Amino acid sequence: GAGVSQSPSNKVTEKGKDVELRCDPISGHTALYWYRQRLGQGLEFLIYFQGNSAPDKSGLPSDRFSAERTGESVSTLTIQRTQQEDSAVYLCASSYTSGGTYEQYFGPGTRLTVT
Amino acid sequence: QKEVEQNSGPLSVPEGAIASLNCTYSDRGSQSFFWYRQYSGKSPELIMSIYSNGDKEDGRFTAQLNKASQYVSLLIRDSQPSDSATYLCAVRSGSYGKLTFGQGTILTVHP
Repeated sequence: GAGVSQSPSNKVTEKGKDVELRCDPISGHTALYWYRQRLGQGLEFLIYFQGNSAPDKSGLPSDRFSAERTGESVSTLTIQRTQQEDSAVYLCASSYTSGGTYEQYFGPGTRLTVT
Repeated sequence: QKEVEQNSGPLSVPEGAIASLNCTYSDRGSQSFFWYRQYSGKSPELIMSIYSNGDKEDGRFTAQLNKASQYVSLLIRDSQPSDSATYLCAVRSGSYGKLTFGQGTILTVHP
């Protein structure tokens, strides 16, 4: 079946502009995660959505970052007033949560460059 | 102390050899353990998951888990140049699916 999709694949923006990144999870996956990966670094957890529960926003680095998800479908990650340190690949993953396995499958990512 | 630590590498092995990748974690209550492969410029790809002590084999890959030692490893037998990538260890510790990733080990398999 279709995997996780993300758009856009690349985004170049000027410092101070707002950007919106989109993630479409695997159909039937109730959990959705956003991660950030800076060049040459590991994955940094940003936010987690599980069904209609309140999201875990503990990884969001500042109040310039926000995310939404409607039900168990598409999610958008919004970065306001972008800064150069926001330049990174933003990865979305989704998983089942029944059965306790929580295997996460990643989308191709959005490469954000802030100039 | 980092929550998930991997041997820093880079690791270089000849084609056909066994590559051994190691990972330790700090939360003794961790429940699930994953290995991801990440090619340069690509997103992580899940290759192995392990939940109980012992070995789990899938083709040329074997994951080993020792919860008492808080240690998980990945063995790649008959390594191929196509195995050259960064390998990420990930650990789930909470009541839901949030993963903590190690920094990754770069593996190079040379012909």
